[in-house]
Amino acid sequence: GQNIDQPTEMTATEGAIVQINCTYQTSGFNGLFWYQQHAGEAPTFLSYNVLDGLEEKGRFSSFLSRSKGYSYLLLKELQMKDSASYLCAVRVQAGTALIFGKGTTLSVSS
Amino acid sequence: GAVVSQHPSWVICKSGTSVKIECRSLDFQATTMFWYRQFPKQSLMLMATSNEGSKATYEQGVEKDKFLINHASLTLSTLTVTSAHPEDSSFYICSASAGGVETQYFGPGTRLLVL
Repeated sequence: GQNIDQPTEMTATEGAIVQINCTYQTSGFNGLFWYQQHAGEAPTFLSYNVLDGLEEKGRFSSFLSRSKGYSYLLLKELQMKDSASYLCAVRVQAGTALIFGKGTTLSVSS
Repeated sequence: GAVVSQHPSWVICKSGTSVKIECRSLDFQATTMFWYRQFPKQSLMLMATSNEGSKATYEQGVEKDKFLINHASLTLSTLTVTSAHPEDSSFYICSASAGGVETQYFGPGTRLLVL
């Protein structure tokens, strides 16, 4: 079976840095994705990693270690609007659907 | 990025009726579209994979005769929930891939409430 684990909830304060971890055990690997989802809305794409290392995009960075089956999403200079659910997803094979973790609900307070 | 639309965004229907949800890729041709369902406070669960011009592939536990999928063109896939029941109330989201594109683009979702 496919398994993707991430923490259920996290809290942080405005201006801080938060790291959301994701571990996966899947039958194959063709990329790891991070999405942001606000309540009642569809997910929006944040990042994509297929090779080991860090991908930086503004305040958001994502890291991948394929040998460890591990990724993290790093959010810097947190803002209240960053309060949302963050979904880690793996694509097992090119052209196939993404398999999602259960999501991490991040609450940012002032 | 690419744009995917869904229609309707909200639908309320009576138990036993059928509901059709459309998913369109607006500025690219989608060889493959995926249909997901999300219950409250849960993650997205894949229902089926829809390929243009061929039959959809359903995930285990998803009834193909209840959730009819048609992918008649490279920009449109439809999901019809037949004889809907209250337990079918959920958030239905489609995503589209152009094949070879790194990511999948999600539609805004359709919230279905069956009374």
